[in-house]
Amino acid sequence: EDQVTQSPEALRLQEGESSSLNCSYTVSGLRGLFWYRQDPGKGPEFLFTLYSAGEEKEKERLKATLTKKESFLHITAPKPEDSATYLCAVQAYSGAGSYQLTFGKGTKLSVIP
Amino acid sequence: EAQVTQNPRYLITVTGKKLTVTCSQNMNHEYMSWYRQDPGLGLRQIYYSMNVEVTDKGDVPEGYKVSRKEKRNFPLILESPSPNQTSLYFCAAGELGQDEKLFFGSGTQLSVL
Repeated sequence: EDQVTQSPEALRLQEGESSSLNCSYTVSGLRGLFWYRQDPGKGPEFLFTLYSAGEEKEKERLKATLTKKESFLHITAPKPEDSATYLCAVQAYSGAGSYQLTFGKGTKLSVIP
Repeated sequence: EAQVTQNPRYLITVTGKKLTVTCSQNMNHEYMSWYRQDPGLGLRQIYYSMNVEVTDKGDVPEGYKVSRKEKRNFPLILESPSPNQTSLYFCAAGELGQDEKLFFGSGTQLSVL
């Protein structure tokens, strides 16, 4: 069974204090790993897709990296508007035409001015 | 603008009364899916569809039905709702392949009394 574990569950940062969120996964064969951001009362919003170990992607203050067992979402000099819940999801290779997606429980980030 | 529209936004019903939550997309994406989000459990996939007339079970399909008769619509049907189906539901649509991403709707908060 595919498993996705995110840590920490919650993180409070001072504005400008850089940190990282972790997503560890156990799948039979990783096809893709995804990061989403979710604001209260809204649907998740896409951030990154990573496909292979060593891959990195950046967007503004966010940088996502991938190894064979985990992914990190690095947040550099965060601002209060970065406060949200960050979700990680994995999709494993399975039967032809199959596309099951497994999400972690998320990390709730609060950035204090 | 890419859009996934769910209706209704809020729904209160009673046990056993059939209901349908609608989902439509304006992006002509082949892939659509439904998720439920519960506190402490995260997002869990209910059903997904790779194309018209092609649907498959996710992690928690029991008690739900879906249909994909046309590309833009993917309704979620609860034939006999029960209180344990009280949850926040999200529909998503996207293209699969390189740099794939999902676009999520704003959610439907369902309460089954």
